[in-house]
Amino acid sequence: EDQVTQSPEALRLQEGESSSLNCSYTVSGLRGLFWYRQDPGKGPEFLFTLYSAGEEKEKERLKATLTKKESFLHITAPKPEDSATYLCALSGNTGKLIFGQGTTLQVKP
Amino acid sequence: GAGVSQSPSNKVTEKGKDVELRCDPISGHTALYWYRQRLGQGLEFLIYFQGNSAPDKSGLPSDRFSAERTGESVSTLTIQRTQQEDSAVYLCASSLEVLVNTEAFFGQGTRLTVV
Repeated sequence: EDQVTQSPEALRLQEGESSSLNCSYTVSGLRGLFWYRQDPGKGPEFLFTLYSAGEEKEKERLKATLTKKESFLHITAPKPEDSATYLCALSGNTGKLIFGQGTTLQVKP
Repeated sequence: GAGVSQSPSNKVTEKGKDVELRCDPISGHTALYWYRQRLGQGLEFLIYFQGNSAPDKSGLPSDRFSAERTGESVSTLTIQRTQQEDSAVYLCASSLEVLVNTEAFFGQGTRLTVV
């Protein structure tokens, strides 16, 4: 069964303090691993897609990386506006898009 | 349309009543997904459509839940005889295709409250 586990559940950082969020997964035939950002009361907003081990994607202060078992979302010098819940999702041979429980990030000024 | 549209944005219903939630996907997107998100929780997969077909309905929580899609466009999620545990935000997403697995884009959700 396809499975996604995210850690930590919650992360509090000071502005400028870099860190990483983890997404561990098991899947039958990875077709894509996705990162989303969700603000309170809103639907998830797409950030990145990764398709194969070794792939990296960057956007502003965020960088996503992928191995055969894990994905990391690295946040460099975060700002308070980066505070949100970050969701990892994957799609495999079943066609389902399965999400982890998310990491809630709080960045204090 | 420009994005995924869900209606209503909020719905309050009495226990035992039936409700219908609507999702208008991005034009041309053949894949459509429904999720349930309880307060403070992650996204629980319910069902997906490829075109008008739902290959896997195993995520639906009970036989009170059903979904359909017509014209490879609008989808409706119906909950019969609502219970208080059905209270949650119901999210819909669409993507170009399932097998190609391009990214999915979400609507803002329908917040359902069963009283």
